[in-house]
Amino acid sequence: NAGVTQTPKFQVLKTGQSMTLQCAQDMNHEYMSWYRQDPGMGLRLIHYSVGAGITDQGEVPNGYNVSRSTTEDFPLRLLSAAPSQTSVYFCASSYSGPLFDSNQPQHFGDGTRLSIL
Amino acid sequence: AQSVAQPEDQVNVAEGNPLTVKCTYSVSGNPYLFWYVQYPNRGLQFLLKYITGDNLVKGSYGFEAEFNKSQTSFHLKKPSALVSDSALYFCAVREYGQNFVFGPGTRLSVLP
Repeated sequence: NAGVTQTPKFQVLKTGQSMTLQCAQDMNHEYMSWYRQDPGMGLRLIHYSVGAGITDQGEVPNGYNVSRSTTEDFPLRLLSAAPSQTSVYFCASSYSGPLFDSNQPQHFGDGTRLSIL
Repeated sequence: AQSVAQPEDQVNVAEGNPLTVKCTYSVSGNPYLFWYVQYPNRGLQFLLKYITGDNLVKGSYGFEAEFNKSQTSFHLKKPSALVSDSALYFCAVREYGQNFVFGPGTRLSVLP
């Protein structure tokens, strides 16, 4: 059981470049989310999805796009990379519940460490 | 709106001593509360959660947490710390119909 898989593990980009961070889960979870982790700021929610075809913005969505065409995959796209997007990015998934009321914890991938020069 | 505070950036404790990592929260309804641990270059791992009922919750690796509604706290505890417990600890809250909100994290160092 692989859980949540993120690729790549490391990436260096130049300002203005675009890229896609991949996330896949094999637990049939409806809820998937992307966070960025910066020192002293905890995890901040970028975008989330409650099922295939449904996405919404989190706390810090600017500069990022997402899509959810399947239950398993939830890619995060950086449209035009900026140095402020240098961070560690985590994907997570969990059972959502029929009314978005689940008390189940999230499962996290091991992160993508992204540097923007 | 939900919020979580972890008042200590760093907690140092000697091996074998009890440890406490503090968490306070603010919600408008009844919360689900979680603790996660993060080791270097890894994602967050779930330790334990409070849903309802008994205020003392037991979790993985000998950790437990005490829910105190009047003080809006959910402190993580362990009776005897190990060097291998050294890591970054996150408290999180989730209200009905809302996303998870994480605290800023507390770095625990257990000294041999």
